[in-house]
Formats: sequence, structure tokens, C-alpha cells
Amino acid sequence: QKEVEQNSGPLSVPEGAIASLNCTYSDRGSQSFFWYRQYSGKSPELIMFIYSNGDKEDGRFTAQLNKASQYVSLLIRDSQPSDSATYLCAVHRNQGGKLIFGQGTELSVKP
Amino acid sequence: GAVVSQHPSRVICKSGTSVKIECRSLDFQATTMFWYRQFPKQSLMLMATSNEGSKATYEQGVEKDKFLINHASLTLSTLTVTSAHPEDSSFYICSVPPTGGTDTQYFGPGTRLTVL
Repeated sequence: QKEVEQNSGPLSVPEGAIASLNCTYSDRGSQSFFWYRQYSGKSPELIMFIYSNGDKEDGRFTAQLNKASQYVSLLIRDSQPSDSATYLCAVHRNQGGKLIFGQGTELSVKP
Repeated sequence: GAVVSQHPSRVICKSGTSVKIECRSLDFQATTMFWYRQFPKQSLMLMATSNEGSKATYEQGVEKDKFLINHASLTLSTLTVTSAHPEDSSFYICSVPPTGGTDTQYFGPGTRLTVL
């Protein structure tokens, strides 16, 4: 079992729709969770982080965390073609500050 | 503005040569930096943790004699790929955790290495 798992996609949504990206993790002791966006040929850029159970909203983005289910998700409202990218879920290991990444979900927003 | 820089952004070299990649923290001092590698269509794989003033900590399966890491100062870490081969061709990215107790990491722009 991979430590952090995501559906690789591609996930295709029409412009203006809600894109839902999911991630599960295996280490129940994980405390911090991150969503990064990566455009082709570029390095990842941080979108959101979440530490507590529940929802965290930032503009069009909402991160959801359920530690009991070991599940974290990212919702993108009013999706735009510029949101088309690979979205990486990352989990912070308490030992040594390491970030463990999922394989990423490719999102395509069609005009 | 950029928080972390990498140099070079792109390098092409012949098989058997060594390549040095620099990672600089621009806004804050960093006792720790991380080096990742990303093959096409794959996720980021942590290679090693660079520690200022001490030896780097390598992940399982990463050859420390092939990937030399030197944390020369609180703002600079270098990764040297020694005797590079075509299978080392990849996207190498460093990251820096800022001070202040957050777990966030800021990524450099990456270095695309192509070994012919």
C-alpha cells in the first residue's frame, strides 16, 4: 500500500463546474496535509494546507480533512481552464519534516 | 517574489560527467533543505535531506556516493550527480521549510537534467 494515494486521472470537468480531488493516506499519525498544483514542466506550488478535521476555504478552493477515514480532498469551485494541471496531495511525516507525495491527479478543465 | 532559487534551470551533459545543481534560500536561513526527483508522469520522490553542518540523510535506495549533497551555508545546498547516466535524466527539485514552526515547504523552480 502506498503511503499517499490519489487517483491519477485524468479528471475532466467543464468550465464553471466543481472539480473534486481525493487523497487517502496510510499513516494514522500524520498531522499536516497539503495540496500542491504543478503545471507541466514546472515545480509544485502550494495551494492549501490543512491540519484540523473539517473544511478550510480559500477563495475557490476548499480542503476537507477526515482523520478518522484518513482522507483529504480538494474542491475547486467555478473551475477555469487555467486550473488545468496536476494536483499533488502531500502528507507531512512528523519525523524529520519530510513531505510524502501522492502520484498526483491530472485535472483538465474544458472551456 | 521567489523564495527559493535553483541553478541551472536546465542542463544537458554527456554520460559519465558530473553535474552540480545549486539550491538557494532567498528569504530565510535554512538548516534543512530537501532534494526531490521527478520522472515524467510520476510524482515527486524524496531523495535526501540536506542538513547544514552535518551529513545529508538519504532515503532508502538512493546512492549517497552518486548523489553528493553539500549544505555549504544556511542559504545554499548543492546536489552533485556524479558519473551521470541517461537513467539519471530527470527533474530535480529542492525545497526549503521556512522558519516559524509551519510544515509548509517552498519549492525551487527545478532543474531539468538530460544525460546523453
